[in-house]
Amino acid sequence: AQKVTQAQTEISVVEKEDVTLDCVYETRDTTYYLFWYKQPPSGELVFLIRRNSFDEQNEISGRYSWNFQKSTSSFNFTITASQVVDSAVYFCALSDLESGGSYIPTFGRGTSLIVHP
Amino acid sequence: DTGVSQDPRHKITKRGQNVTFRCDPISEHNRLYWYRQTLGQGPEFLTYFQNEAQLEKSRLLSDRFSAERPKGSFSTLEIQRTEQGDSAMYLCASSPTSGESYNEQFFGPGTRLTVL
Repeated sequence: AQKVTQAQTEISVVEKEDVTLDCVYETRDTTYYLFWYKQPPSGELVFLIRRNSFDEQNEISGRYSWNFQKSTSSFNFTITASQVVDSAVYFCALSDLESGGSYIPTFGRGTSLIVHP
Repeated sequence: DTGVSQDPRHKITKRGQNVTFRCDPISEHNRLYWYRQTLGQGPEFLTYFQNEAQLEKSRLLSDRFSAERPKGSFSTLEIQRTEQGDSAMYLCASSPTSGESYNEQFFGPGTRLTVL
């Protein structure tokens, strides 16, 4: 079974629009970590956020915000007032003990965000 | 620059040749991971080390793949008898096992392999 589902393959918006990237995860563990990474055209994955399963507080960092809801197994990412520089592929990832006790992350397939000027 | 570095950034080889990639992690990180990423997919875990010990290997890691981290610092990933299906981006990441960044992986720029 797929552990991390990013149903949106590609999203296209115009600059200054708000955009939400969805992430739904699956795990039987009670302790796990969720991540978001950004992969710009240059290719290097850039860490954005880590959230552990015991911390359901939403987080805001500048134009970025994350909504973690255990009830729906979702960890969605919102970019407010998008900019062209936000164009990238965004990956959601889950690490849990099902990976043999090593918290090795499983990545979703990514959502390609294109922000038009 | 104190980030994760990988060498080479690009490698083109003919089918059947052997290739070796190198990864230098962030110096104080004792965990090192190798991933493979193909077009349109997220990174897929291959193997990881804690210090010099290789602790886990994915089913994706066939017998033609071998990884080492002899002194617990840099790591090498070798692919023997390359096949066209090995064409991908090979990513290395490192992470600490304590502190504020615990369990956070820092990725290198990747090595793009093209097998002709």
